[in-house]
Amino acid sequence: KAGVTQTPRYLIKTRGQQVTLSCSPISGHRSVSWYQQTPGQGLQFLFEYFSETQRNKGNFPGRFSGRQFSNSRSEMNVSTLELGDSALYLCASRQGSNEKLFFGSGTQLSVL
Amino acid sequence: QKEVEQNSGPLSVPEGAIASLNCTYSDRVSQSFFWYRQYSGKSPELIMSIYSNGDKEDGRFTAQLNKASQYVSLLIRDSQPSDSATYLCAVNIYNQGGKLIFGQGTELSVKP
Repeated sequence: KAGVTQTPRYLIKTRGQQVTLSCSPISGHRSVSWYQQTPGQGLQFLFEYFSETQRNKGNFPGRFSGRQFSNSRSEMNVSTLELGDSALYLCASRQGSNEKLFFGSGTQLSVL
Repeated sequence: QKEVEQNSGPLSVPEGAIASLNCTYSDRVSQSFFWYRQYSGKSPELIMSIYSNGDKEDGRFTAQLNKASQYVSLLIRDSQPSDSATYLCAVNIYNQGGKLIFGQGTELSVKP
């Protein structure tokens, strides 16, 4: 069974631009969560989607948004990029009510 | 006080020794606890989950949970150089779905 797939693997953007990251969960997993990882703050929860609905949201500004499609694939969008948005963005999926998360390889975003 | 705290390390142990990684959490309604391993440049990989007080063993890994003391630990027996990685403790709060609160991680170095 294929794991969680994230694209692209690397992104370089400049301040003020916007970016869209993509995530395909493990087959059969309907829940997708997004996390931001930085050396200073560690892993922080962004939001979770289940059956195309946002179930939970972390403490991030409204510039961070996401959505989920009917096939459970998810996208995350960051608008008006700031230098501090440089991070590894990780997508994770889980099956049903099981809290075990399985992470993708991540998208390394650099904002110049 | 941070919600999930870990010693940042680095923790250095000789090959074949027992590595002991500790984690404390502040929210008493935490119900599920996880240990993830993250190699440098890679995404977190789930290695252990524990839900009730006591010990849970899986191969060379033993997770220990004490809810009264709000403490969870991970023991790695017969440590190998390939165990050198950052170990992340994660806690799931009741009714928070896929939202995990992560500690900052403990860097483990196993010396041959």
